[in-house]
Amino acid sequence: DAGVIQSPRHEVTEMGQEVTLRCKPISGHDYLFWYRQTMMRGLELLIYFNNNVPIDDSGMPEDRFSAKMPNASFSTLKIQPSEPRDSAVYFCASSLNPGATEAFFGQGTRLTVV
Amino acid sequence: QKEVEQNSGPLSVPEGAIASLNCTYSDRGSQSFFWYRQYSGKSPELIMFIYSNGDKEDGRFTAQLNKASQYVSLLIRDSQPSDSATYLCAVKKGSARQLTFGSGTQLTVLP
Repeated sequence: DAGVIQSPRHEVTEMGQEVTLRCKPISGHDYLFWYRQTMMRGLELLIYFNNNVPIDDSGMPEDRFSAKMPNASFSTLKIQPSEPRDSAVYFCASSLNPGATEAFFGQGTRLTVV
Repeated sequence: QKEVEQNSGPLSVPEGAIASLNCTYSDRGSQSFFWYRQYSGKSPELIMFIYSNGDKEDGRFTAQLNKASQYVSLLIRDSQPSDSATYLCAVKKGSARQLTFGSGTQLTVLP
């Protein structure tokens, strides 16, 4: 398996623009997580899905952020409109259920909003 | 108080020495504990997990858990320059599926 695949790897956008980050989890994994990592706040959970259903979105910072998982092999995280403070590395991770012990991370998307 | 706390470092040790990384957590309902390693510019990767009090060894790595003290540590024996990275402590509460991460400790192993 190729692991968790994220795209794009890097994104530079202007403030106010819409940004869409994409993730393909490992095949067969029931759980998908979106994390954001910054120097100031570390690695924070934004939202996670189980069997394509959002379970906990309490980490989503504002209504500008939204996430979808239309099927088991694809998820998106959208920011509209983007702001400079959204600049961070966004990681997608997936894990198995039941009895999963670890989450496997994608390579991340480095987002810069100017 | 943060849910998972780590000393941010940086921690420097000479090659061949033992590196000791520490983590405390606030929720007594936490059940599973993980150590991830993250190289600069890369994604976190799992090194070890531990569920039960005591020590768990895997090669040069030993995880130690003390639930009474709400403390988990990672020891790296015979440290190598390739161990230089940020080490993230993560905690899973009860039946929860999500991990709560500490801010990480930056380790540098000096040749």
